[in-house]
Amino acid sequence: DTAVSQTPKYLVTQMGNDKSIKCEQNLGHDTMYWYKQDSKKFLKIMFSYNNKELIINETVPNRFSPKSPDKAHLNLHINSLELGDSAVYFCASSQVLQDNEQFFGPGTRLTVL
Amino acid sequence: GNSVTQMEGPVTLSEEAFLTINCTYTATGYPSLFWYVQYPGEGLQLLLKATKADDKGSNKGFEATYRKETTSFHLEKGSVQVSDSAVYFCALGNSGGYQKVTFGTGTKLQVIP
Repeated sequence: DTAVSQTPKYLVTQMGNDKSIKCEQNLGHDTMYWYKQDSKKFLKIMFSYNNKELIINETVPNRFSPKSPDKAHLNLHINSLELGDSAVYFCASSQVLQDNEQFFGPGTRLTVL
Repeated sequence: GNSVTQMEGPVTLSEEAFLTINCTYTATGYPSLFWYVQYPGEGLQLLLKATKADDKGSNKGFEATYRKETTSFHLEKGSVQVSDSAVYFCALGNSGGYQKVTFGTGTKLQVIP
């Protein structure tokens, strides 16, 4: 049973294209996140949703738009991809009103050519 | 605001050596503290956690004690194995609120036979 799943695992695309990454969690958690990890392994939070409502929005270009159709899903759409968007993107979920332990997906490696 | 400082890597050890990875934090309130591990090509997974002062988290031979007086949560293992080679992240989370989890910059550990 996969707790947090993401698709696709790898994504290679040209500059200027639009792409989406999907995330689903079956843990019954109320909060989901998107993180970006760069080549030095630095992990940066991008967005957080609680029960389909945006609660954290770090300084992320508005080319990135998260969408949460229900509390088990949080998708990330990226418009007009740039070279600097190349990274590994991780989805995570947690139950905030407990200790906020994060459960991570396997990651999506995005390469922009 | 909250912050986490962990020692820079990479750390290279011989098999069966003793491991310490230092982590100190700055936080308001009473945060939970975590160590996450990321094996090559995978997402982060929880290694251990401690939710209050003087708690000791332990898992797979790793230990860390929540020291409020020194604001530290150092990770230790008495005898590392090649399979412990990974990136280790210290993290801080506040329960009871919608604040983001704060991650350290990660410490890469390489264990050589």
